[in-house]
Amino acid sequence: DGGITQSPKYLFRKEGQNVTLSCEQNLNHDAMYWYRQDPGQGLRLIYYSQIVNDFQKGDIAEGYSVSREKKESFPLTVTSAQKNPTAFYLCASSPTSGREYEQYFGPGTRLTVT
Amino acid sequence: AQSVAQPEDQVNVAEGNPLTVKCTYSVSGNPYLFWYVQYPNRGLQFLLKYITGDNLVKGSYGFEAEFNKSQTSFHLKKPSALVSDSALYFCAVRWQDSNYQLIWGAGTKLIIKP
Repeated sequence: DGGITQSPKYLFRKEGQNVTLSCEQNLNHDAMYWYRQDPGQGLRLIYYSQIVNDFQKGDIAEGYSVSREKKESFPLTVTSAQKNPTAFYLCASSPTSGREYEQYFGPGTRLTVT
Repeated sequence: AQSVAQPEDQVNVAEGNPLTVKCTYSVSGNPYLFWYVQYPNRGLQFLLKYITGDNLVKGSYGFEAEFNKSQTSFHLKKPSALVSDSALYFCAVRWQDSNYQLIWGAGTKLIIKP
C-alpha cells in the first residue's frame, strides 16, 4: 500500500450524519485522488487535487467535499446529501512530473451508513 | 470519449495453465496503460505500465502485458498461473491532456483453481 494511509479501515454512521475519511501520504506527491468503489463498477473518481489549496470535481462529486490544506493530506467528507454513501473509498496519489505516471493507493476505508 | 473495456467479468484458469486478462481502450493521442491488482478489502497494487518503447512490458509477480496499437489492446498475461493470483484485476489508461487522471475498466475477477 506504499506510503499512503487511510483511516479508519471500517466506519459506521447513521443516516443524516456527515463523516470525514482521512488520507495521508508521505511520498511527496503533488496529486491526490479520491475514488469510490462499488461491486461491478470499477473505480469512480470523486475529487482530485493537483496542488495544495486547489482541487477539482470528478465524475461523482455530488454529496462529497474535500480540502487540500497540506501536501500530505486530502480528507474527504461524505455529507448527508450523498444519497447512497455505503461503499469502499480509496485514496491515491501520484507525481505530476518525471516519468513515474502510476497512482499509488491506500488500503481503503469501508463506510457503512444505516 | 475516452474509455477502457474489460470484456470479461470473470476468468477461470487451472493452476499451472497460462492466463490472459483482456483490456481494450479508446483514447485520443498516445495512451499510457496500466494494470493493477486488488485483493479482497485491500487497496490497489500497481503491476505494470506501458508508456513508450517495447510493446511487451514485464511487471510484478511474473505478469506481463503486450501493447497492441492496431488493436488498441493491452492484455495481461502470465505463463503459469498460481492459486495466489486469484484477485480482481483492473486496467487503466491515461491520455494526453488528462490532467493526470486515469480511466478505469470495470475489473476482471481472476479465479485460479488448484
